[in-house]
Amino acid sequence: SAVISQKPSRDICQRGTSLTIQCQVDSQVTMMFWYRQQPGQSLTLIATANQGSEATYESGFVIDKFPISRPNLTFSTLTVSNMSPEDSSIYLCSVGRGGDSNQPQHFGDGTRLSIL
Amino acid sequence: AQTVTQSQPEMSVQEAETVTLSCTYDTSESDYYLFWYKQPPSRQMILVIRQEAYKQQNATENRFSVNFQKAAKSFSLKISDSQLGDAAMYFCAYRSARRTGNMLTFGGGTRLMVKP
Repeated sequence: SAVISQKPSRDICQRGTSLTIQCQVDSQVTMMFWYRQQPGQSLTLIATANQGSEATYESGFVIDKFPISRPNLTFSTLTVSNMSPEDSSIYLCSVGRGGDSNQPQHFGDGTRLSIL
Repeated sequence: AQTVTQSQPEMSVQEAETVTLSCTYDTSESDYYLFWYKQPPSRQMILVIRQEAYKQQNATENRFSVNFQKAAKSFSLKISDSQLGDAAMYFCAYRSARRTGNMLTFGGGTRLMVKP
């Protein structure tokens, strides 16, 4: 299974600032996903990041608020912009191999974000 | 759109006993995959077991097994000989088998407590 490193593991940020979360995979993967897990809640998909194309955002999430980069097949970043307390969540990176969808997705350890 | 429902927010089991976590889903697709993930307090998402919808045989992984009822759209997880380390949040997840539909849809989660 892929080894996924996510940075930072946690951060406390001021209202109105932005934070970029990095996701590094030890092998090339077709698809990378970013999920949000609000306190005590389940995981909600923010967007799918494919290399060489714009990220695809789910309903309720917009590029201006959550810009995503995918410069190559092993790396992606998610930026949480103009943060407010409502953005306090765990953000998780996940990877999958698009051509063989019976392979399970693997997750990074998540970034716990708190906004004051 | 697919939905996944876990009707038990919390469950409790005595150590060494057996517990069953419920999951139902709604989909119009005939080919898909189902997963159970475990999330301990460390927040890492760990794959427990997976099931392909086209397989009638229920998946089994050591102490973990599923009861997959495709017609009823039910996918329950049975944990036998429960151990203290099984205490965690458990999420049921759905994924389409279509090449472009690799994102996971999660249920709301069930918190499992194991009593010594």
